[in-house]
Amino acid sequence: DVVMTQSPLSLPVTLGQPASISCRSSQSLVYSDGNTYLNWFQQRPGQSPRRLIYKVSNRDSGVPDRFSGSGSGTDFTLKISRVEAEDVGVYYCMQGTHWPWTFGQGTKVEIK
Amino acid sequence: EVQLVQSGAEVKKPGESLKISCKGSGYSFTSYWIGWVRQMPGKGLEWMGIIYPGDSDTRYSPSFQGQVTISADKSISTAYLQWSSLKASDTAMYYCARWGDCSGGSCWYWGQGTLVTVSS
Repeated sequence: DVVMTQSPLSLPVTLGQPASISCRSSQSLVYSDGNTYLNWFQQRPGQSPRRLIYKVSNRDSGVPDRFSGSGSGTDFTLKISRVEAEDVGVYYCMQGTHWPWTFGQGTKVEIK
Repeated sequence: EVQLVQSGAEVKKPGESLKISCKGSGYSFTSYWIGWVRQMPGKGLEWMGIIYPGDSDTRYSPSFQGQVTISADKSISTAYLQWSSLKASDTAMYYCARWGDCSGGSCWYWGQGTLVTVSS
């Protein structure tokens, strides 16, 4: 299985400050069709996950533009430009290139 | 509006069987893959398997192959996850999910989750 490694696992952030989460895969996530199927999900406490970003850098409908994704190959980043209180939760990267699809361990974002 | 509605919470004993469901609505059920994701208490997300209801093509994660059965009944737009003999370690929240193209790009939907508790 492709191993997805996130860092940090815990991220205390001050409101209004930026935050960044790294995700590295154990092998390239470029699929045979040329796309890179790397997603980012947010899971707020007590809720189902919600996808924020697909194919590395595409924001899902309704996702605030303070969220952005970047990266290529095996190295990816989720950035929050200015953290708001509603951003508290656990963030997961997920690769959809190689079956079985796999998630990172999760990064818990909390307010300092 | 696309919705995935899962069956309610279950409390079972070790060794019992169980089948939980995920009913899709608001879209062509046979045209999109549906998957099942496990989340053990306080832990992360794990893919269990996926099914294409149009032809019942099913793929299992090796970690779950032989442990669960994924199926779908397209006549009632419902996907299932079942166990023949539950263990305490099956205690978890189980989510169904659907993804695919939609107007303007790509869409991803989740069910509300089904909590399964296995305890003697």
